[in-house]
Amino acid sequence: DQQVKQNSPSLSVQEGRISILNCDYTNSMFDYFLWYKKYPAEGPTFLISISSIKDKNEDGRFTVFLNKSAKHLSLHIVPSQPGDSAVYFCAARPSYDKVIFGPGTSLSVIP
Amino acid sequence: EAGVVQSPRYKIIEKKQPVAFWCNPISGHNTLYWYLQNLGQGPELLIRYENEEAVDDSQLPKDRFSAERLKGVDSTLKIQPAELGDSAVYLCASSFGSTGELFFGEGSRLTVL
Repeated sequence: DQQVKQNSPSLSVQEGRISILNCDYTNSMFDYFLWYKKYPAEGPTFLISISSIKDKNEDGRFTVFLNKSAKHLSLHIVPSQPGDSAVYFCAARPSYDKVIFGPGTSLSVIP
Repeated sequence: EAGVVQSPRYKIIEKKQPVAFWCNPISGHNTLYWYLQNLGQGPELLIRYENEEAVDDSQLPKDRFSAERLKGVDSTLKIQPAELGDSAVYLCASSFGSTGELFFGEGSRLTVL
């Protein structure tokens, strides 16, 4: 039973446009959410996070939105760049600290 | 500052053979994690250490997998005997406390023939 879901296995976006990656979760005990980015043959790297007390967090071109009532979060990348092409993992942590990852979405930014 | 270091990067073995993976976390990080990542899936936690203590090993298949973190620094993950289904990438990560911001190594890719 997946507690963190990323229903789009892949996404293609034109360079300069907005990329929107979606994530849904089922566990209402999750209180901290993270996005990780992974290039081939490398480990995931932390990108951005958001606490459940907020509904938005922004860091440069990356913004994460959290809708607790819908148990949904999204990552917006504006503008998208070819170097953003990677697999993006949504992750969530309940108060007892175990980080649970979604299956990932592969983003391709087309020049 | 050095990141999380894992070795070997790649390992090919025959089924029923043993294999071991080593991880050196970021200096000062007291929490260490071993994750398993199958193709097309997200990382799944195998075991989490707080210093030397394994605080969450509920997903570790203890009949064939074992792990240790001596002196609360380096860690070793062992599989004995390996099975075909163990082919995957084994990721080590560390964090300072339990902020959730994990720092991952490059992973050890295991192929069992």
